[in-house]
Amino acid sequence: EVQLVESGGGLAQPGGSLRLSCAASGFTFQSYDMHWVRQAPGKGLEWISYISSGSSTRYYADSVKGRFTISRDNAKKSLHLQMDSLRVDDTAVYYCAGRIWVDGFDVWGQGTMLTVSS
Amino acid sequence: SSELTQDPAVSVALGQTVRITCQGDSLRSFYASWYQQKPGQAPVLVIYGENNRPSGIPGRFSASSSGNTASLTITGAQAEDEADYYCNSRDNSLNPPYVFGTGTKVTVL
Repeated sequence: EVQLVESGGGLAQPGGSLRLSCAASGFTFQSYDMHWVRQAPGKGLEWISYISSGSSTRYYADSVKGRFTISRDNAKKSLHLQMDSLRVDDTAVYYCAGRIWVDGFDVWGQGTMLTVSS
Repeated sequence: SSELTQDPAVSVALGQTVRITCQGDSLRSFYASWYQQKPGQAPVLVIYGENNRPSGIPGRFSASSSGNTASLTITGAQAEDEADYYCNSRDNSLNPPYVFGTGTKVTVL
């Protein structure tokens, strides 16, 4: 079964840091580009970051550029999002997602909630 | 940066047809993909490419595109189709390389 499982969410203080992880199973993780998408409470989906299969290419949304870093460990089949200089408006559910078999985000994790508050 | 604009909300009578639209410049170059999201759940891909449904998605979901507008149509809407729907597209600018629409809440009456 194809599965993505996020972890690492929780409560963080403004200006603080947190690292999210996403464990992949059921597909050849190392062959696929991966993404992070977030959703603030009551708001829409926001694409925030991309990493190519071999980590050579990374993209970020302007809202997180310079503060968040995407990475992956293909040997451990894991995706990460290092989040620094956190702001209250980073509060959201964070999803890892992949475009695995089709030209669309066809695989999603269940999401992990990050709350940034003092 | 590019944007994809959707109507905030639409309603449809049970068994009738509803069309959801998504407008943006990137749609002149790329097909939209469409996602259904129910409360407390992760999004689910319902349409990708020109008009393709992943395995398990009912045939009442279809898509079309013209110019800068993509559309998702639900023909014979069911109660379980009540959800938020988002379009998504690539973008040539790579700033960002992917963008989601603003979302449409579909209510089945």
